[in-house]
Amino acid sequence: QVQLVESGGGVVQPGKSLRLSCTASGFTFNSYGMHWVRQAPGKGLEWVAVIYFHGNNKYYGDSVKGRFTISRDNSKNTVYLQMNSLRAEDTAMYYCARGSAYNYGYFFEYWGQGTLVTVSS
Amino acid sequence: QSVLTQPPSVSAAPGQKVTISCSGSSSNIGNNYVSWYQQLPGTAPKLLIYDNNKRPSGIPDRFSGSKSGTSATLGITGLQTGDEADYFCGTWDTRLSAWVFGGGTKLTVL
Repeated sequence: QVQLVESGGGVVQPGKSLRLSCTASGFTFNSYGMHWVRQAPGKGLEWVAVIYFHGNNKYYGDSVKGRFTISRDNSKNTVYLQMNSLRAEDTAMYYCARGSAYNYGYFFEYWGQGTLVTVSS
Repeated sequence: QSVLTQPPSVSAAPGQKVTISCSGSSSNIGNNYVSWYQQLPGTAPKLLIYDNNKRPSGIPDRFSGSKSGTSATLGITGLQTGDEADYFCGTWDTRLSAWVFGGGTKLTVL
């Protein structure tokens, strides 16, 4: 069965960096676009970024553009989210999600359990 | 402010029917498929409806989806207490080159 397992969350000071990882299993990883979606405490879902199956196309939400970088290692079935210049408003649960196709996809078919990032001094 | 607009909350009695609306524009709902997600308290979101009106395997036919123009609707019949959750609509926005979600609707089964 499909599994997505996020890791790397924690407490970090404003202005610092953090890298999240999401390791996938149960499907052909290099055939699907992968996403990060976040949810601030008590708030709704906010899409963060997508990386296409080959890693050559990447798109970001406006609130993280220029600060976050999504990447993937198809040999390790893993997608990453490098988060720099973190702000208090980046505090959220970060979910990894598999798209429905090789690109941005038409829906999020599978979700991980999430990893919590807290930005606080 | 979310790109897609959903009512913050809806409620109905067990066994009744409820609908949740999701309003957007021509750059998102009007020209792309809509999907719906159910988020039970303390858990990750789960795909409920995809491609406007299709149900993944395992999702009961009490859940339905439809789309007309720049709006979409999620319907739930035969409400159960276990349906109490937050529901989100989502789609790709061609103008923004970004995925967008509705703000979410909290369903209470009275």
